[in-house]
Amino acid sequence: IAGITQAPTSQILAAGRRMTLRCTQDMRHNAMYWYRQDLGLGLRLIHYSNTAGTTGKGEVPDGYSVSRANTDDFPLTLASAVPSQTSVYFCASSDSGTGSDTQYFGPGTRLTVL
Amino acid sequence: KNQVEQSPQSLIILEGKNCTLQCNYTVSPFSNLRWYKQDTGRGPVSLTIMTFSENTKSNGRYTATLDADTKQSSLHITASQLSDSASYICVVSANKLSFGAGTTVTVRA
Repeated sequence: IAGITQAPTSQILAAGRRMTLRCTQDMRHNAMYWYRQDLGLGLRLIHYSNTAGTTGKGEVPDGYSVSRANTDDFPLTLASAVPSQTSVYFCASSDSGTGSDTQYFGPGTRLTVL
Repeated sequence: KNQVEQSPQSLIILEGKNCTLQCNYTVSPFSNLRWYKQDTGRGPVSLTIMTFSENTKSNGRYTATLDADTKQSSLHITASQLSDSASYICVVSANKLSFGAGTTVTVRA
């Protein structure tokens, strides 16, 4: 069982380019999340999905979009990347979206926008 | 201002020694509090979870305490090992999750 996989592991991207970060889980969890982690700051929620077909905005959603076409996949898209989006991005999943369940995190994608 | 404050920001300890990490929060209403361990280059992994009625929870050499009245939690690492070198993140659940910035622990031989 892989748990949560993310791709790519790292990426250097020119400003203005479009980029999709991929996330797949095999635990059949209902809820999935995207966070960014910056030095000195806690993980910040970008977008979430409590179940397939639904999505919601987190704390820092601007410049990002997500989709949840099925249970397993939750891609994060940067439509036009900017340097402030340089960060480490973590995808996570949990059995439900209530906050009482443990979230399981992927290994992260390190993104650099130049 | 972050609703979850962790201290210290970083610490270095010798292998075999104990250490205690602190987490103070202002999040309300409180549901539960988790400690996560994040190894360098990896995603966070849950260590412990405590609800309002629990004041201590252990996971091997890791012991977490919670004082819901003062809104403080601590994570105690006993007999540290080199593999304990990591960032430890306090996460408080209310109507959403609030993450602390983490404490980076370095264990030296």
